[in-house]
Amino acid sequence: GAVVSQHPSRVICKSGTSVKIECRSLDFQATTMFWYRQFPKQSLMLMATSNEGSKATYEQGVEKDKFLINHASLTLSTLTVTSAHPEDSSFYICSARDTGTGTYNEQFFGPGTRLTVL
Amino acid sequence: GNSVTQMEGPVTLSEEAFLTINCTYTATGYPSLFWYVQYPGEGLQLLLKATKADDKGSNKGFEATYRKETTSFHLEKGSVQVSDSAVYFCALIYSPGYALNFGKGTSLLVTP
Repeated sequence: GAVVSQHPSRVICKSGTSVKIECRSLDFQATTMFWYRQFPKQSLMLMATSNEGSKATYEQGVEKDKFLINHASLTLSTLTVTSAHPEDSSFYICSARDTGTGTYNEQFFGPGTRLTVL
Repeated sequence: GNSVTQMEGPVTLSEEAFLTINCTYTATGYPSLFWYVQYPGEGLQLLLKATKADDKGSNKGFEATYRKETTSFHLEKGSVQVSDSAVYFCALIYSPGYALNFGKGTSLLVTP
């Protein structure tokens, strides 16, 4: 089945540093990937839509200069949290849309990355 | 706009009890509907889906029917197990290439 991986699964960093999170589709091509943020005991909030070879589309209220998204290939999207602060601590989840014909409308989720900023 | 409303949790049930988690939606057109499950410390897994009215999605004993007339997609299971303890998210997608709209999630705890 379709698998999406995220790396790292957990990261702890100091305030002011930058953190890069990778999202990979392992056995399918994904022209579109999505980045979500989940706060404790809350739902997933869409941050941005990442399209291969073009600029990401950010949701209202999400700072694009703080959350840099790059989707350089059909199997990899990265989210970089720049100058991280404690309020950026959260669970970040990516999903990838399979552009193959057999999985219409289906998205596959990565296992998430727990970011803790001290 | 498109939105999903789920019943508030947490829901606590004894093993072998019947489960219903309500989900209603508002959307223009005909979205596809999904239930995702999130086990503690893990990412989301697709539980079941339905892409058109009257479709019934089913998986692992869970079922949900796409009801256009009531704009609902309630999740049911006849006999829950302790291993079903998780957070369940109802979601919709309006069109391919768009992100999922999630409900707030319903936490389920099944006790022995």
